[in-house]
Amino acid sequence: SQQGEEDPQALSIQEGENATMNCSYKTSINNLQWYRQNSGRGLVHLILIRSNEREKHSGRLRVTLDTSKKSSSLLITASRAADTASYFCAPRSGAGSYQLTFGKGTKLSVIP
Amino acid sequence: DAGITQSPRYKITETGRQVTLMCHQTWSHSYMFWYRQDLGHGLRLIYYSAAADITDKGEVPDGYVVSRSKTENFPLTLESATRSQTSVYFCASSESNREETQYFGPGTRLLVL
Repeated sequence: SQQGEEDPQALSIQEGENATMNCSYKTSINNLQWYRQNSGRGLVHLILIRSNEREKHSGRLRVTLDTSKKSSSLLITASRAADTASYFCAPRSGAGSYQLTFGKGTKLSVIP
Repeated sequence: DAGITQSPRYKITETGRQVTLMCHQTWSHSYMFWYRQDLGHGLRLIYYSAAADITDKGEVPDGYVVSRSKTENFPLTLESATRSQTSVYFCASSESNREETQYFGPGTRLLVL
């Protein structure tokens, strides 16, 4: 398994603004997943993008994947205070291991 | 329909004591995982299990023991707790499929004095 590195480490925005966070990884992947963690809680799966996909939407979330640059971005549109959380990416490499390796995440604060 | 649960949610223990953290899932997922989360380190995988009676080490297995006699349960034991094992522990499970989305429990906060 390989670890993604999220950037920035912290992000503070006003409610209603868009939030963008990035993920970089090192080797080829089968898919990349984004998770959210609210303070004091377990991670919650948000969205999965496969290596043959370039963009995916889910509600206010938009994920892009650029395999040539080995990077992904998560865009949250029209942010709400409830979006305040840490966001983690988890790139998954080839078949075999079912492990996911999480980085340190991006801590998003949405100010009402 | 509880999904994945962990117990206890909070635990205070002393150095040298044995502690067992429980994890139970109701989905019959094949794969289960234990992570610890510490400031500055993110989540680190301790052990995982592909099925009942099949377990394997993750990134930080030292000082921990796991077992999986039943598909739905995956207890984590600290044989002789140390202060460095003070952490938040998360259990997760996933189906045996290509997507491998993981579903996390609420976590156990462990303090070792």
